[in-house]
Amino acid sequence: ETGVTQSPTHLIKTRGQQVTLRCSSQSGHNTVSWYQQALGQGPQFIFQYYREEENGRGNFPPRFSGLQFPNYSSELNVNALELDDSALYLCASSLAAGYGYTFGSGTRLTVV
Amino acid sequence: EDQVTQSPEALRLQEGESSSLNCSYTVSGLRGLFWYRQDPGKGPEFLFTLYSAGEEKEKERLKATLTKKESFLHITAPKPEDSATYLCAGLWETSGSRLTFGEGTQLTVNP
Repeated sequence: ETGVTQSPTHLIKTRGQQVTLRCSSQSGHNTVSWYQQALGQGPQFIFQYYREEENGRGNFPPRFSGLQFPNYSSELNVNALELDDSALYLCASSLAAGYGYTFGSGTRLTVV
Repeated sequence: EDQVTQSPEALRLQEGESSSLNCSYTVSGLRGLFWYRQDPGKGPEFLFTLYSAGEEKEKERLKATLTKKESFLHITAPKPEDSATYLCAGLWETSGSRLTFGEGTQLTVNP
């Protein structure tokens, strides 16, 4: 059974650029969530996808957007990067809402 | 606003010295209380889910308990490899499937 895989593991971008982060969910999991974790803080919910539809969104601006594909993999897109977007971005998948969430190892994004 | 608060922020123990981490939560509408372990630069690793007051779950040296207003993660005779940040997260009826995390407790176990 494969877990959640994220790519890339590290990324450096310049302020104002755009970035796409990718996530392959655990086999059989149809729900994918994205979280942002700043250094020394707990993860903050960005949004969730269920069967290719956005199914909940946290307090993040519209320049944070996402997609879920038929194979349940997912992308997180961030436009017009700001310095404060520097963080660890985590993807989590689950069989359904409310069940245990399996997290990937994350993508460390640095905006300079 | 639904939230969880963890204490202490950091804890240093000697190997073998048992202790507990605390997580207090917004009581109304809680559907589940989750515990995760996170190593530096890695994603959170699932430990336990608790659903109702009085519930307990164990795994090796860890035991999680849930009361009507807080949860505890008890660590018995810890080893240096238990050093990590332990995160508590809640799921509420009003928040769909959004996990709300606490800030975590950074545990260091010295040999």
